[in-house]
Amino acid sequence: GAVVSQHPSWVICKSGTSVKIECRSLDFQATTMFWYRQFPKQSLMLMATSNEGSKATYEQGVEKDKFLINHASLTLSTLTVTSAHPEDSSFYICSARDGSTTFYNEQFFGPGTRLTVL
Amino acid sequence: ILNVEQSPQSLHVQEGDSTNFTCSFPSSNFYALHWYRWETAKSPEALFVMTLNGDEKKKGRISATLNTKEGYSYLYIKGSQPEDSATYLCASSGGYQKVTFGTGTKLQVIP
Repeated sequence: GAVVSQHPSWVICKSGTSVKIECRSLDFQATTMFWYRQFPKQSLMLMATSNEGSKATYEQGVEKDKFLINHASLTLSTLTVTSAHPEDSSFYICSARDGSTTFYNEQFFGPGTRLTVL
Repeated sequence: ILNVEQSPQSLHVQEGDSTNFTCSFPSSNFYALHWYRWETAKSPEALFVMTLNGDEKKKGRISATLNTKEGYSYLYIKGSQPEDSATYLCASSGGYQKVTFGTGTKLQVIP
């Protein structure tokens, strides 16, 4: 149980285009989903927290107009990187919290998406 | 300590050897400490969540301890096997929802 999928697993795009990444909870309802970014040799950095049906809360320094997050259902959240630039190249990973349990901030992770912007 | 720090960054051990690594975290406003095991191209897998000072958790050959007063946790692997090769992440949360991750310890077990 508690499986989270993420799609695509990797994507290469041209500078200026937009890229959408999907995060799905497959066997539970995720009232809260998190989006992280990881640069090489660095830790997972929280970008934003999204609650189903409401606007995402962005961490300081993360541009909400550039990283659009939608959490329209209890099983799906999307991250759209708009007008991507090479500096947006990174590893993006989502996690989800099961709404029926709140065991000490337990989160279930997707496998991540490697974004390369040319 | 303001951030979550893990050491060493990486290590290589021979199959059968036991090993351990450290996670240091802010001891003030502590809520929970998580350990994850992350294999390449897979999702991070939760190993342990610990909340109480002195907590000790065990899962097969892997165990972890927690000292909330001084802000550290140790992860131990007894009799390392090649399948234990992975990055081990720890994360600390000081309140509801927000979790801060360390950079991980990358373990390579040599057959």
